[in-house]
Amino acid sequence: DGGITQSPKYLFRKEGQNVTLSCEQNLNHDAMYWYRQDPGQGLRLIYYSQIVNDFQKGDIAEGYSVSREKKESFPLTVTSAQKNPTAFYLCATDRGSSGNTIYFGEGSWLTVV
Amino acid sequence: KNQVEQSPQSLIILEGKNCTLQCNYTVSPFSNLRWYKQDTGRGPVSLTIMTFSENTKSNGRYTATLDADTKQSSLHITASQLSDSASYICVVSAPPRVLTFGGGTRLMVKP
Repeated sequence: DGGITQSPKYLFRKEGQNVTLSCEQNLNHDAMYWYRQDPGQGLRLIYYSQIVNDFQKGDIAEGYSVSREKKESFPLTVTSAQKNPTAFYLCATDRGSSGNTIYFGEGSWLTVV
Repeated sequence: KNQVEQSPQSLIILEGKNCTLQCNYTVSPFSNLRWYKQDTGRGPVSLTIMTFSENTKSNGRYTATLDADTKQSSLHITASQLSDSASYICVVSAPPRVLTFGGGTRLMVKP
């Protein structure tokens, strides 16, 4: 099946730990995005990538890092510098042109323990 | 500052009834407006996407309208079903591809 796969679905992080969320797509889309969703708030852009080996900061990039070594993969690392990481994280992709439908993954819940 | 405001924040209706969700935006310039449905704990799924020149677009029992002059959009759900219970998110795009998300309307359909 074509689509976007995020893993893990649920993740717990201890204080001071870095954790990495995986996002893989087989839609052959150029653009990939990471969003953070908090209860009652709109999605906020963390990082995005429009092409392999290139990525740009979004509105709330502090405390996060990404890489885009392959077209299919766009992992997000939540570093210990992110002081309030508990949230629902969504990966998305599109073809890279305005007006294209954006496809979202199923999301990953990250909780700090 | 680009903003997208949705109302109501939450809504409860009986199965079979119709409802209308509102979206007001201040995004400028405007590229397109999208409505998404998000089930709890899942990723959003696209319902409609409208450009400046489109006034209405339907997807089954979902009909979106757009008034670009007043910067308002609505999503009308006809003959609601229990499976319509979800959050509905309005997203406005500005060139080149900047997206601004509304906070969503949580709809609960009761039997």
